[in-house]
This record gives sequence, structure tokens and C-alpha cells, in this order.
Amino acid sequence: QVQLQESGPGLVKPSETLALTCTVSGGSIDAYYWSWIRQPPGKGLEWVGYVYHSGITNYNPSLQSRLTISVDTSKNQFSLKLSSVTAADTAFYYCARQTYGANGGAFDIWGQGTMVTVSS
Amino acid sequence: DIQMTQSPSSLSASVGDRVTITCRASQSIRSYVNWYQQKPGKVPKLLIYIASTLQTGVPSRFTGSGSGTDFTLTISSLQPEDFATYYCQQSYSTPRTFGQGTKVEIK
Repeated sequence: QVQLQESGPGLVKPSETLALTCTVSGGSIDAYYWSWIRQPPGKGLEWVGYVYHSGITNYNPSLQSRLTISVDTSKNQFSLKLSSVTAADTAFYYCARQTYGANGGAFDIWGQGTMVTVSS
Repeated sequence: DIQMTQSPSSLSASVGDRVTITCRASQSIRSYVNWYQQKPGKVPKLLIYIASTLQTGVPSRFTGSGSGTDFTLTISSLQPEDFATYYCQQSYSTPRTFGQGTKVEIK
């Protein structure tokens, strides 16, 4: 079965760039959309953006100016880079598979999540 | 952006109770709403997609309904493992947006 695993630093300094990678195992990264979703501790869920296996991206406008999501199909991975971070970017970051078509675009498989703290 | 508003924000219920959570979209999203369950310290889990389709492996006591702007998630007989926070999410347009969550607590 398909599994997702996030990796990356748990601590990032203010004004620097947050970089995370999600590795997809048990299946191909082809033919799906792959999203990042974040959740500040004790708060709700926020969709960050997605990348299609072809490289097409769609970002949350609230983050678009600072955000890059990319895919590496040869490694079955996709990545997130968020620049100029502040304490407001402190959150659990989840990668998730997004269905499409008849399955309606739900997030059906999630990584375990990784906590990223922005602090000096 | 499409705003998703859940009610109530929290509720207390007993095992065996019927529980209903409502989600209202700020504009019509046809049937493009999904429901998730998140337990403390755990990853969100997809329960229902396209308003009423049960995800594989999810117990049949969970049902979803609605279309347009108004949607409901119903748990027919609350079980101890159902105490969690529930989120609706629209997949009609980007940016994808979630409701603020409904916390279901033990009475």
C-alpha cells in the first residue's frame, strides 16, 4: 500500500527557508496530485499547495509569494520550500495524496507529519 | 476563497448517541465536500468523500449528506473510538479549504 513520509529539519530560523521532502513508497507518484497541508499546534488544517506528477503546481494564495513545490518522479518524491519564514509558519506539516476525478479530490493518504518550529 | 463553516465548534455526547455535525460553504460546491477525523496527536483520516461516499474501511455508522452549500456528517451511534475532532473540506476549487473543526467530547 502507498505510504508517505516527510523529512526535513525540525527547526528553522526566522527569515530562512523551510524545506521538506515527502517520499512516496509502495506506489508510483504518477497519476495523482500531491499536496502539502499544515496545522499549527492546537489549531485547524490549512492547505499549502499541490504538485501534479507532470510538475504542474497550485498554491494557496496566502503563501504563493514564498512557496515552491516541486516533484522528482525519478525518486518518487515531492518537496516544499517556504522562504522568509516567521513564527506564524510554525506547524505540523503533512504531505498527502489528493485524489481526482470521480474520487472528488479528497486527501486519502497522509504522511505521519513533521513538526517544524521557526525560532532563533 | 470558499469559506467552510462548521457547527457546532464542540459538543459533548455519550456513547450510543446520534451525533450530527454541520458544514456550510460560502458558495455552492455541488457535492465536493470531504470529511476527516483527527484524534489527538494523530494524522487526519479520510472518512467520507464527495459528500456521501464512505471511504474503504470506515464503519457504516458514519454517513454524510448534502449538496450545494449545506452538508452534514452523522454518527448514528457514537462509539468510544469516535471521540475526536472532525473537519470538513471542500475540493470544488482552489485554494482547498477546511472547516475550523468540531471537537466531539465525552459527556
